[in-house]
Amino acid sequence: KNEVEQSPQNLTAQEGEFITINCSYSVGISALHWLQQHPGGGIVSLFMLSSGKKKHGRLIATINIQEKHSSLHITASHPRDSAVYICAVASGTYKYIFGTGTRLKVLA
Amino acid sequence: DTGVSQDPRHKITKRGQNVTFRCDPISEHNRLYWYRQTLGQGPEFLTYFQNEAQLEKSRLLSDRFSAERPKGSFSTLEIQRTEQGDSAMYLCASSFMGNEQYFGPGTRLTVT
Repeated sequence: KNEVEQSPQNLTAQEGEFITINCSYSVGISALHWLQQHPGGGIVSLFMLSSGKKKHGRLIATINIQEKHSSLHITASHPRDSAVYICAVASGTYKYIFGTGTRLKVLA
Repeated sequence: DTGVSQDPRHKITKRGQNVTFRCDPISEHNRLYWYRQTLGQGPEFLTYFQNEAQLEKSRLLSDRFSAERPKGSFSTLEIQRTEQGDSAMYLCASSFMGNEQYFGPGTRLTVT
């Protein structure tokens, strides 16, 4: 079992839909990082959080430390949101342990 | 541009050749990380530096791989005697201590 699990692995949504991506982890962490990766490989930081909830535009991230679970929500999804969303946890020496990613495709 | 940069962006090499990649971190960041990402997978940790000291290496980093950060600024990752299994995206990230890591665009290596 991977230390960081994401679900779903693949997600297709219609434009405007509310989207939720989940991340569960089994190790002690100091922080959790949500990342976005577009085709071509570049990784963009979305949120880094260690408790509670953060919001930026149409994106919301929550974390429950006791349950070792985080969610990334996208409201009013748009085709430009199509990307791979990766959950990474910072543990111990602060190196990241990554999930395998959720491939999101938003159809117009 | 003051972000993390990597060079080259793409490298195609023949099996058995040596390759070297470079990463320039954000200037005030003292930590530098190398990760490898194969198709359809999340990145995997390879090694990290704090200033010029290499503090941790993954068991993924075989004897053919070596990384340096000689002056605590840029870093190089060298792969000797490349194998087809080395084909991957090599990602570099930097941070100040244990804060948020910022990623470079990656170097995509194809070994033919």
